[in-house]
Amino acid sequence: DAKTTQPTSMDCAEGRAANLPCNHSTISGNEYVYWYRQIHSQGPQYIIHGLKNNETNEMASLIITEDRKSSTLILPHATLRDTAVYYCIVRVVSSSNTGKLIFGQGTTLQVKP
Amino acid sequence: GAVVSQHPSRVICKSGTSVKIECRSLDFQATTMFWYRQFPKQSLMLMATSNEGSKATYEQGVEKDKFLINHASLTLSTLTVTSAHPEDSSFYICSARIYGTLNEQFFGPGTRLTVL
Repeated sequence: DAKTTQPTSMDCAEGRAANLPCNHSTISGNEYVYWYRQIHSQGPQYIIHGLKNNETNEMASLIITEDRKSSTLILPHATLRDTAVYYCIVRVVSSSNTGKLIFGQGTTLQVKP
Repeated sequence: GAVVSQHPSRVICKSGTSVKIECRSLDFQATTMFWYRQFPKQSLMLMATSNEGSKATYEQGVEKDKFLINHASLTLSTLTVTSAHPEDSSFYICSARIYGTLNEQFFGPGTRLTVL
């Protein structure tokens, strides 16, 4: 699975949009982009995933560039409870792979009042 | 839906004892479960992949005789840390993939192990 690069940390003001970038320049055509987050001392929480089209759900939006070499997770109105480590992961999804998720270092997002 | 539980949430044990951690999928069947370990201020490290009814597949560097994994049913996987030592103190997290899907994978709340 391709590697990802994320900034180590970011700050965001409460109520503003949080835009978290992820670089995955070596992504291959059959790899999906996944985002998870981990609030301190809890298990990771699934946020969203996509292949090439932009995706939106009740938690966030995922914008994937046309060449798929980078993506941005957008939390439209960040709250203090969104303070967490955000992980961007790319992996192949197929019936022949185990589906394991390999975590990098992630981005620590601090939402400030 | 898609809830994964772990028990216990926190355990303290003496060096040399064994500790069993349970991971359950509460409202779905999971043919595949994963075990991770996380040290303070570090990311999650995958330890092993557990498939129901078969032997677990361990990642490189993880001792299979020390970290025993049993996945006896579609809703339960256990991780036993044998002869625990202080360096095994960590946050252990399991995740489960919903049977019949390729994308859905959900994580438990984690178990904090402290070995004295």
